[in-house]
Amino acid sequence: ETGVTQTPRHLVMGMTNKKSLKCEQHLGHNAMYWYKQSAKKPLELMFVYNFKEQTENNSVPSRFSPECPNSSHLFLHLHTLQPEDSALYLCASSQSPLAGGQGEQFFGPGTRLTVL
Amino acid sequence: GNSVTQMEGPVTLSEEAFLTINCTYTATGYPSLFWYVQYPGEGLQLLLKATKADDKGSNKGFEATYRKETTSFHLEKGSVQVSDSAVYFCALSDQAAGNKLTFGGGTRVLVKP
Repeated sequence: ETGVTQTPRHLVMGMTNKKSLKCEQHLGHNAMYWYKQSAKKPLELMFVYNFKEQTENNSVPSRFSPECPNSSHLFLHLHTLQPEDSALYLCASSQSPLAGGQGEQFFGPGTRLTVL
Repeated sequence: GNSVTQMEGPVTLSEEAFLTINCTYTATGYPSLFWYVQYPGEGLQLLLKATKADDKGSNKGFEATYRKETTSFHLEKGSVQVSDSAVYFCALSDQAAGNKLTFGGGTRVLVKP
């Protein structure tokens, strides 16, 4: 595998389900991100991790719970979601600015989530 | 704060036409500038970048020049193909903001044969 991979690519869940999204980067980066992309809305940054530590949470509801066990893996745990949470969830990675990164991020293909 | 403004789409073109997508930005520091492309059903791909004033980024026939005096980073391609149909995002990152990316709203481009 190369680049940034995300699984699953598609997910349909009920409002009472618990599911997890997985992201893995094979680029040797040390910063990882979750974004939400909804139709007709700007791209929304949800969480930022630098060297496995969460450095940003953009007022994301607690029904979204991120986990970063190491610099290569990032999870987004989902529970009791609402239909308006249906969106494309994108993971990205970059070299941390603390390690000389210039800001370019590399994205995975996304998980298309539908909440019924 | 930082912001990126790009022209709204959709932009509809015929094959081999010239494409320009305007992008302007405001930033408190000295940002790096990027264009990303998103093909249907996929994530964002980095198309090109420029890290300082007057730099020109280029890739796959696309070009953009970092213009500090006009705070712009317009994307151009001289002859588009049907396969260039996608959504294009202008973005900036600023060390003062921890290198987070600030995105424009995206411009959908549709190239017809």
